[in-house]
Amino acid sequence: GDSVTQMEGPVTLSEEAFLTINCTYTATGYPSLFWYVQYPGEGLQLLLKATKADDKGSNKGFEATYRKETTSFHLEKGSVQVSDSAVYFCALGSGGSYIPTFGRGTSLIVHP
Amino acid sequence: SAVISQKPSRDICQRGTSLTIQCQVDSQVTMMFWYRQQPGQSLTLIATANQGSEATYESGFVIDKFPISRPNLTFSTLTVSNMSPEDSSIYLCSVETEGLYEQYFGPGTRLTVT
Repeated sequence: GDSVTQMEGPVTLSEEAFLTINCTYTATGYPSLFWYVQYPGEGLQLLLKATKADDKGSNKGFEATYRKETTSFHLEKGSVQVSDSAVYFCALGSGGSYIPTFGRGTSLIVHP
Repeated sequence: SAVISQKPSRDICQRGTSLTIQCQVDSQVTMMFWYRQQPGQSLTLIATANQGSEATYESGFVIDKFPISRPNLTFSTLTVSNMSPEDSSIYLCSVETEGLYEQYFGPGTRLTVT
């Protein structure tokens, strides 16, 4: 079945550092890929998405590129802020179901 | 976009009791979903709630333990019955969006069972 694997957290960075959160997936066919973010005390919000190979999703300074050859969708940001501290979930959607498959989430802690 | 509210935001309950969580959406939606998010774990789908029919439960979840109501297109409830400490978790409701596989999520209900 479909699955998503994310790097374990927490990821701890200083403000203005470069961020990478790794995500790889297993799926049949050509899935759509997503990153969701969950700020403390809140529900998940869609951060960005990519629906086909080589697409780059971007939002709020975050980027991720759909790499079919490596089945990856790594999240990057050039300069993180304290306000980026949150849990980030990689997810995929494929097949006839409306339900995405989520990874376990990666906690990001950014220190001033 | 849809705005989703949940009540209560958190609760501490004794084992053996039941808690009903409410989910309200500011627009009419066809599909509503209930998830469980255990500490350090990913989201696990409990069931899909459709208006006018019984909820569809995922493997490992049963109606007797997690009864769901969906009286109209903007509201749903999830009851966690006969609770045990293992039910301590965050419960999230979500709805589908215009985009396939995309969902809007409520803020969650943090449940602690003692």
